[in-house]
Amino acid sequence: NAGVMQNPRHLVRRRGQEARLRCSPMKGHSHVYWYRQLPEEGLKFMVYLQKENIIDESGMPKERFSAEFPKEGPSILRIQQVVRGDSAAYFCASSPPAREDTQYFGPGTRLTVL
Amino acid sequence: QKEVEQDPGPLSVPEGAIVSLNCTYSNSAFQYFMWYRQYSRKGPELLMYTYSSGNKEDGRFTAQVDKSSKYISLFIRDSQPSDSATYLCAIKSTGTASKLTFGTGTRLQVTL
Repeated sequence: NAGVMQNPRHLVRRRGQEARLRCSPMKGHSHVYWYRQLPEEGLKFMVYLQKENIIDESGMPKERFSAEFPKEGPSILRIQQVVRGDSAAYFCASSPPAREDTQYFGPGTRLTVL
Repeated sequence: QKEVEQDPGPLSVPEGAIVSLNCTYSNSAFQYFMWYRQYSRKGPELLMYTYSSGNKEDGRFTAQVDKSSKYISLFIRDSQPSDSATYLCAIKSTGTASKLTFGTGTRLQVTL
């Protein structure tokens, strides 16, 4: 059973470009979470999605950031007009239904904004 | 005050030592407690989770929760160099909130 998959593993963007991060949950998991880890800081929750629904986006910046989890395909975290402060590791986690306490993380996407 | 406090370390111990890693939290609504291990430039790996006060053991790892003191611990027995990593505590509240609140992590180095 493959774990949570994320791609790309590394992404370099120039200021003002768009970044798209993809996440495929573990088989049988219908809940997806995105977290951001800044250098020397802990993981910070961004958004929680189920298929075609955003359940909790309380950790998402109000502008430039969006997330989706379509009926088919991976979850996408989109960052528009990136700035240097967006440079971080972005982790996706998934959990089975009704087991939000057991979230399994992917390897992360390391975004560098030049 | 942060919701979850964790000593960042680094903590250096010799091989075979017993390691104690700790977190404190401030919100009594927190009821689910997890420990993750994160190797350098990798994703966090779920080690243990519990939701009740007391001890939970899994091999060389023991998770301890004291809800009255809002204090959680992870003990590692017979530590190995392969245990060298950053250990993150994570806490979740009851109710509909599904997000995990993480400590900043403790860096552990087990030396030969």
